[in-house]
Amino acid sequence: AQSVSQHNHHVILSEAASLELGCNYSYGGTVNLFWYVQYPGQHLQLLLKYFSGDPLVKGIKGFEAEFIKSKFSFNLRKPSVQWSDTAEYFCAATRGSQGNLIFGKGTKLSVKP
Amino acid sequence: DAGVIQSPRHEVTEMGQEVTLRCKPISGHNSLFWYRQTMMRGLELLIYFNNNVPIDDSGMPEDRFSAKMPNASFSTLKIQPSEPRDSAVYFCASSSQGSYGYTFGSGTRLTVV
Repeated sequence: AQSVSQHNHHVILSEAASLELGCNYSYGGTVNLFWYVQYPGQHLQLLLKYFSGDPLVKGIKGFEAEFIKSKFSFNLRKPSVQWSDTAEYFCAATRGSQGNLIFGKGTKLSVKP
Repeated sequence: DAGVIQSPRHEVTEMGQEVTLRCKPISGHNSLFWYRQTMMRGLELLIYFNNNVPIDDSGMPEDRFSAKMPNASFSTLKIQPSEPRDSAVYFCASSSQGSYGYTFGSGTRLTVV
């Protein structure tokens, strides 16, 4: 079955620390990958997406993610986090431009000022 | 663009009552998704529509749940009768073919007491 795995349930960092959140997917063939962010009490917002081309994708707010096909991974990175990055981060995948968007369980990021 | 509009934002109801959640997708988007978010299970896809036709409702938990999309600009998710375990945040999302993006509404926080 198609699935998306996020390994870290809760990550706690100090401001200015570097961030990497893991995401693995189990899809065969072509896959489209997404990272969403959910700030406390808010809805999901798209951070970045990958569907083809350069495997290093840059998103909003200084986030980037790298698609590594051989590892079925799409890890999210940010070189220096801020307190305002405190949120929950969801990796998601789908096959094709539409259809069932499957989410990982999410990783809660807490950034200490 | 007003985005995906959901109503109500909050709903508190008694067990056994009927609950109807509403969603207006982005104009021009031809796919609509209903998700449920809980602490225990994260984000789960309940059902999605393509061109107003239900494509996959395998995520609908029980017959108490039903969803309709009578036209391209409106969808409802109904729970009848509601139970305390239905308490969750229900998100609606829409997308258009080729956009490779899903836009989420602000969600409806449902509490069944």
